Amino acid sequence: AQSVTQLDSQVPVFEEAPVELRCNYSSSVSVYLFWYVQYPNQGLQLLLKYLSGSTLVKGINGFEAEFNKSQTSFHLRKPSVHISDTAEYFCAVSDNTDKLIFGTGTRLQVFP
Amino acid sequence: DTGVSQNPRHKITKRGQNVTFRCDPISEHNRLYWYRQTLGQGPEFLTYFQNEAQLEKSRLLSDRFSAERPKGSFSTLEIQRTEQGDSAMYLCASSLAPGGGELFFGEGSRLTVL
Repeated sequence: AQSVTQLDSQVPVFEEAPVELRCNYSSSVSVYLFWYVQYPNQGLQLLLKYLSGSTLVKGINGFEAEFNKSQTSFHLRKPSVHISDTAEYFCAVSDNTDKLIFGTGTRLQVFP
Repeated sequence: DTGVSQNPRHKITKRGQNVTFRCDPISEHNRLYWYRQTLGQGPEFLTYFQNEAQLEKSRLLSDRFSAERPKGSFSTLEIQRTEQGDSAMYLCASSLAPGGGELFFGEGSRLTVL
């Protein structure tokens, strides 16, 4: 069975500071990994995904993530956050069935 | 707007009543998913369809829950004899398979059971 762990339920950060949101996964098969963002009162949007190839994946809004197979991690990073990045971020895993298993989410709160 | 559409957006009902949610996916997408999200949690998979065939149902989907996707287009999720524990956001998503895993989500239908 697959699972995703997001250890940080909340991450407060000041504007223009760097941020890392942590994600660890568990799977017995090859996986696809995703980060989704949910802004207040909006649907989930895909930030980025890792399917294969380069382990460093770049997404929208300046976010990037690195797939680390040995550490079973897929941490999300941004070098300089903006107030508009305040949202809930979800890490997810799938096994090529397109059925996503989500983590519990990390709330990123950016302060001026 | 050609995204995933869900109706109604909000539903308040009394315990024991039946409710039905509708999802209209992106028109060319052959897969449709239902998820449930409660406060402070990530979306939990309920079920998914490929065209009109229901391919998988989660153990979370009790006998009171039924989902259909007639003709492989829109889908309905019905909850019978609602309980307070059914209060949640019900999310619908669609994808084009095989598609590399990008699901397109609707804004959700929020259910409150009194």
